[in-house]
Amino acid sequence: IQLTQSPSSLSASVGDRVTITCRASQDISSYLAWYQQKPGKAPKLLIYAASTLQSGVPSRFSGSGSGVDFTLTISSLQPEDFAAYYCQQLDSFPLTFGGGTKVEIK
Amino acid sequence: QVTLRESGPALVKPTQTLTLTCTFSGFSLTNSGMCVSWIRQAPGKALEWLAIVDWDDDKHYATSLKTRLTISRDTTKNQVVLTMTNMDPVDTGTYYCARTNMGRGDFSLDYWGQGTLVSVSS
Repeated sequence: IQLTQSPSSLSASVGDRVTITCRASQDISSYLAWYQQKPGKAPKLLIYAASTLQSGVPSRFSGSGSGVDFTLTISSLQPEDFAAYYCQQLDSFPLTFGGGTKVEIK
Repeated sequence: QVTLRESGPALVKPTQTLTLTCTFSGFSLTNSGMCVSWIRQAPGKALEWLAIVDWDDDKHYATSLKTRLTISRDTTKNQVVLTMTNMDPVDTGTYYCARTNMGRGDFSLDYWGQGTLVSVSS
């Protein structure tokens, strides 16, 4: 299953609302996760089951979607949110990641 | 608390076999729902899922690398080992291991190791 993330990069300011999309090549129900990765660090799980916030993740992060189209939204971008974001499908093996979205400071 | 740590050689030569070990604590790979995956990331590139072993010793691999990968577990040592044969410079990157707890209902990766950088060069 292929995952297509868009955009591949974006520039935004602190306080902006940011939306990242992930499209699957076939129906994956709600078996999608989102990760945040900062430079030189391991990825961190943000959201699983398409919309369930992982424990400890700020509520400004939210996920939505099912089937083939999914969205990660950051409601008010904070300085610590500048990072790369990846979606991952968990519907069937082999598990696959999207190509990533880099969120940069405008 | 759950921790994972990758170990292995920092440098391998082309055609050699890479062996990486993930040593974990805070959970048991014999408990129902527990899995460990390997993921890698070439410099400046996206994450690539490689393989998974679960509590029942079932294993799955990335399609494009299936012939080169072997994942195994040692439950007495709390370790998962990944071997990758016929290494090539394009295999250079950071290799991570990560845990799945199926109690959340899916294979999402909730704990990650810090990663180990592997370079392939003669």
